[in-house]
Amino acid sequence: DTGVSQDPRHKITKRGQNVTFRCDPISEHNRLYWYRQTLGQGPEFLTYFQNEAQLEKSRLLSDRFSAERPKGSFSTLEIQRTEQGDSAMYLCASTRDAWGAFFGQGTRLTVV
Amino acid sequence: GENVEQHPSTLSVQEGDSAVIKCTYSDSASNYFPWYKQELGKGPQLIIDIRSNVGEKKDQRIAVTLNKTAKHFSLHITETQPEDSAVYFCAASAISGANNLFFGTGTRLTVIP
Repeated sequence: DTGVSQDPRHKITKRGQNVTFRCDPISEHNRLYWYRQTLGQGPEFLTYFQNEAQLEKSRLLSDRFSAERPKGSFSTLEIQRTEQGDSAMYLCASTRDAWGAFFGQGTRLTVV
Repeated sequence: GENVEQHPSTLSVQEGDSAVIKCTYSDSASNYFPWYKQELGKGPQLIIDIRSNVGEKKDQRIAVTLNKTAKHFSLHITETQPEDSAVYFCAASAISGANNLFFGTGTRLTVIP
């Protein structure tokens, strides 16, 4: 499977714990995006990398969230001191072109 | 910023019938309109897109129409099949880059065999 890969698929954590998600984009794609999707809503943009440079962060990305793409390949999204409101599906997408995006299957986070 | 509204939120059709999902957008500068299909437990999958220089685009049983004057676009699925059952999202973008995509709230389509 050469699509966007995300790990883990599901994560249950206690409030206050830190969690880290990984995304492996399609290999030739230099653009990588993180989105959050809550129940009954469309995806909402969080942050964007072009190669290893983080070019944009949305206002949704609080200071408890940090994302990296150290070598311009895979990316990690870390949430510190998780809150119940962080419960959502976290989607990664990648693209080579300026338009559109190919999404991974997402990591569903549940904070209890 | 862009505001995309999508209707209906749920849609049930008999197998073989057509399904139509409509979206409106607020930013007249938007010029790229993709549609995504999301199956349970999976990420959204791009199924068709249209740019503002085209009024209609068709791919087998799926078509999208765009009315720039009215700022609305629609997804048409003909000869629906049970495997078409999913949540469909429209999106709009005025600037290139998936960081500039604004999504609708989704339509849950159920195709009844």
